[in-house]
Amino acid sequence: DAMVIQNPRYQVTQFGKPVTLSCSQTLNHNVMYWYQQKSSQAPKLLFHYYDKDFNNEADTPDNFQSRRPNTSFCFLDIRSPGLGDAAMYLCATSRESRGLGGYTFGSGTRLTVV
Amino acid sequence: AQKVTQAQTEISVVEKEDVTLDCVYETRDTTYYLFWYKQPPSGELVFLIRRNSFDEQNEISGRYSWNFQKSTSSFNFTITASQVVDSAVYFCALRSSSGSARQLTFGSGTQLTVLP
Repeated sequence: DAMVIQNPRYQVTQFGKPVTLSCSQTLNHNVMYWYQQKSSQAPKLLFHYYDKDFNNEADTPDNFQSRRPNTSFCFLDIRSPGLGDAAMYLCATSRESRGLGGYTFGSGTRLTVV
Repeated sequence: AQKVTQAQTEISVVEKEDVTLDCVYETRDTTYYLFWYKQPPSGELVFLIRRNSFDEQNEISGRYSWNFQKSTSSFNFTITASQVVDSAVYFCALRSSSGSARQLTFGSGTQLTVLP
């Protein structure tokens, strides 16, 4: 089945140690998103790629970076994770052309910082 | 600017009761989509429905139904004969054609607990 896959499902990292979360999709959607969701809060958009164009939200910390080497893959890099970065990270995709697309979400990666 | 308000933070019902989750939205656009997502304890966001701004027809899918009213900017979600497996956080979300055009704006979510 076509889907959005996030690996790993759970990630534990040390304070200050760089970590990378991955997302892949088989939907051939041209837009990929990363959302951060802290406990008991709504998901918050960090950034998205429209094809190869990177779009950063104004309040996304510099500590967060993203790479999209091809249509299928997108990575979230956290350069120096702090305790406040512990959260669920959700990847989503959409197909954008002349209309507004719907979103498909992955299962998320739950990041713990120790 | 766009905004989604889910005034109910938590709701508890007993199994087999009907429950309605409220969603009120704000947008200046005439073209937009509204969504409902379910987030069980495992964390994934499960898509339930998408409705575009030009289609005010209410929809029923099994025990789920949605009432979209543009006049009151509301998109409410009703679960009929609730079950324990319906326990989850439910998010209403809005996607419009202006501003940060590709951003999905979420409400704060409603935690639904269905008691046996």
